[in-house]
Amino acid sequence: NAGVTQTPKFQVLKTGQSMTLQCAQDMNHNSMYWYRQDPGMGLRLIYYSASEGTTDKGEVPNGYNVSRLNKREFSLRLESAAPSQTSVYFCASSPQYGYTFGSGTRLTVV
Amino acid sequence: AQSVTQLGSHVSVSEGALVLLRCNYSSSVPPYLFWYVQYPNQGLQLLLKYTSAATLVKGINGFEAEFKKSETSFHLTKPSAHMSDAAEYFCAVSRMNRDDKIIFGKGTRLHILP
Repeated sequence: NAGVTQTPKFQVLKTGQSMTLQCAQDMNHNSMYWYRQDPGMGLRLIYYSASEGTTDKGEVPNGYNVSRLNKREFSLRLESAAPSQTSVYFCASSPQYGYTFGSGTRLTVV
Repeated sequence: AQSVTQLGSHVSVSEGALVLLRCNYSSSVPPYLFWYVQYPNQGLQLLLKYTSAATLVKGINGFEAEFKKSETSFHLTKPSAHMSDAAEYFCAVSRMNRDDKIIFGKGTRLHILP
């Protein structure tokens, strides 16, 4: 089915470990986004990419890096995971006027 | 800067009763407005969106919302609640330009009472 695919769905990391969250969309959208969702906080934008080859910081970028590998793929990297990064991470893509979301990655840092 | 305020982190209604979820926005430029729904352990799904056409917007599952510029509001309503409407609802705002990143409210969890 067309849409946004995130991998992995679940991950447990130890403090200080690194990992990359993968996101791919097959809808030919230009813009892609990474959000984190925490209880009572709604969704907060980490990074976004308005087009292939460009990335910009969102509201909460500290501790994260991103790569827009091509038009389809937008990855999020945690270089040295911290317990404060325990969250559910959502990738989204957009042609304009509204997003399509992936199903999320639930990350726990212990 | 843009922001969204959702009044009430939890709302409970009886099955068959009116659903009203409140959203107020702040934007220095004409906004686009959205409502998303999130069912447990799932991603967010677009319910409806306002993009400067009709001020009364109809969405999926019988929901609708009215854009009121004078009140800076975009409240979500449904005439008759169903058990399947139990979920978390997010109001969101973006600007009318190429940089279309969306700012989300903190969400309202809707509980349906039998």
